[in-house]
Amino acid sequence: GAGVSQSPSNKVTEKGKDVELRCDPISGHTALYWYRQSLGQGLEFLIYFQGNSAPDKSGLPSDRFSAERTGGSVSTLTIQRTQQEDSAVYLCASSQNTDTQYFGPGTRLTVL
Amino acid sequence: QKEVEQNSGPLSVPEGAIASLNCTYSDRGSQSFFWYRQYSGKSPELIMFIYSNGDKEDGRFTAQLNKASQYVSLLIRDSQPSDSATYLCAVTREGGGADGLTFGKGTHLIIQP
Repeated sequence: GAGVSQSPSNKVTEKGKDVELRCDPISGHTALYWYRQSLGQGLEFLIYFQGNSAPDKSGLPSDRFSAERTGGSVSTLTIQRTQQEDSAVYLCASSQNTDTQYFGPGTRLTVL
Repeated sequence: QKEVEQNSGPLSVPEGAIASLNCTYSDRGSQSFFWYRQYSGKSPELIMFIYSNGDKEDGRFTAQLNKASQYVSLLIRDSQPSDSATYLCAVTREGGGADGLTFGKGTHLIIQP
């Protein structure tokens, strides 16, 4: 596709449930990033993939968060046992061996 | 702790005037600097990037970088109502941005018709 795509666009879940968020980067982009934007807050960097590898997972907020990337393309961010403070817009970005990152439309997660 | 500071605004500018947005950063290792525009309810859209000290112009937009002062700015000439948005400053180190981007919280810009 022409840009980064993310699904679902909106997700409402109950506290304690697991959720999976998907990101499909721009074709040919080897780097993929996940960010979180909470209401009234700036964008918070979560994790970076170069190919299928994530060299540094320390940005993930807790061990309930995990991410994987397969085939150097699609990535999934999984949040286990969701909490209300996980409510935010989760943004994915991709880049092609440069610092210039292009963002997807985001997934708005609401934990009730 | 890497920090990027921006005045949250709102910054109100009359249509046709120059809007000046400013950003300071704490990490002297920062090498790449970006300005993103974010409309309400939308994702950030890349406006400009700059790597070297000085000015970089693209259409109505000019990015200015002063690494000695750890200061980045964005000028928008001939401001239009469609420029009304939140402008995010972001920085990263070299190496393909492996640390990700560090964002400021953004400046809310309002262009008054």
